Amino acid sequence: EIVMTQSPATLPVSPGERATLSCRASQSVRSNVAWYQQKPGQAPRLLIYAASTRAAGTPSRFSGSGSGTEFTLTISSLQSEDFAVYFCQQYNRWQTFGQGTKVEI
Amino acid sequence: VQLVEYGGGLVQPGRSLRVSCAASGFPFEDYPMHWVRQAPGKGLEWVSRIEWNSENKAYADSVKGRFSVFRDNARNFLYLQMNRLRPEDTARYYCVKSGGSGFDYLFEQWGEGALVTVSS
Repeated sequence: EIVMTQSPATLPVSPGERATLSCRASQSVRSNVAWYQQKPGQAPRLLIYAASTRAAGTPSRFSGSGSGTEFTLTISSLQSEDFAVYFCQQYNRWQTFGQGTKVEI
Repeated sequence: VQLVEYGGGLVQPGRSLRVSCAASGFPFEDYPMHWVRQAPGKGLEWVSRIEWNSENKAYADSVKGRFSVFRDNARNFLYLQMNRLRPEDTARYYCVKSGGSGFDYLFEQWGEGALVTVSS
C-alpha cells in the first residue's frame, strides 16, 4: 500500500499570509494526486486533481505542484474561509489518503 | 450534482443498518460510486466501490465480509448494507461520485454524509 504523509499536522497562519502544505508518497504516484478541503461540520470537497489542476469552483489562490513522490498545495493569500483541514490523496494505484493538515489561525 | 444520504442512526453492536444515497444531476448509471467514512475527529477511510453496472465491487479489509454495496440505476440510488456492526464502525458515511473513466478513485463529489453510531 502506498503511504501518503502530510506535513505539518497543524499549520498556524495569519489571514493574508501564504500557506504551503506538503504531501509525500512512499513510492512514485506520477501526477495522480488530489487535494481535498474539509471545513468544520462539512463534507470534504475536491480542490485540486492531477497534482495541479484546479477543480471547478476552486479559487485561483489555490495551486498544486509536484510529481513522483513530492507534492505541495499552496494557498497564496489566506482568506478566513480557507481555515480548514486539507487532505492529499493518491489515486495512481488504488487510492490512499494522507492524515490531513489543519490550517488554523 | 447532488448526493443525499439517508438511514444513519444509533445501532447496537452486532446489529445491521443500511444507509442509502439518492443521486441526481448527473448520469448516475455511467459512474462508479464509492462510500468513504470518517470516524469522529479522524481522517478519511475509503470503504467500498461499485462499478457502474454492479459487476465489480471492492471493499476495505476492515469491512470485507460484513458490508455490502449495491445500486439501483433505475432509481439513482446507492446503498451500503452494514452487518455485524462494531463500535469501530462509528463514523459519518459519505456517498461519493467518482471522476469517471480513468479517474475511478478520484472523489469528485461528496454527499453531506450519514452518521452511524454503534453503541450499546
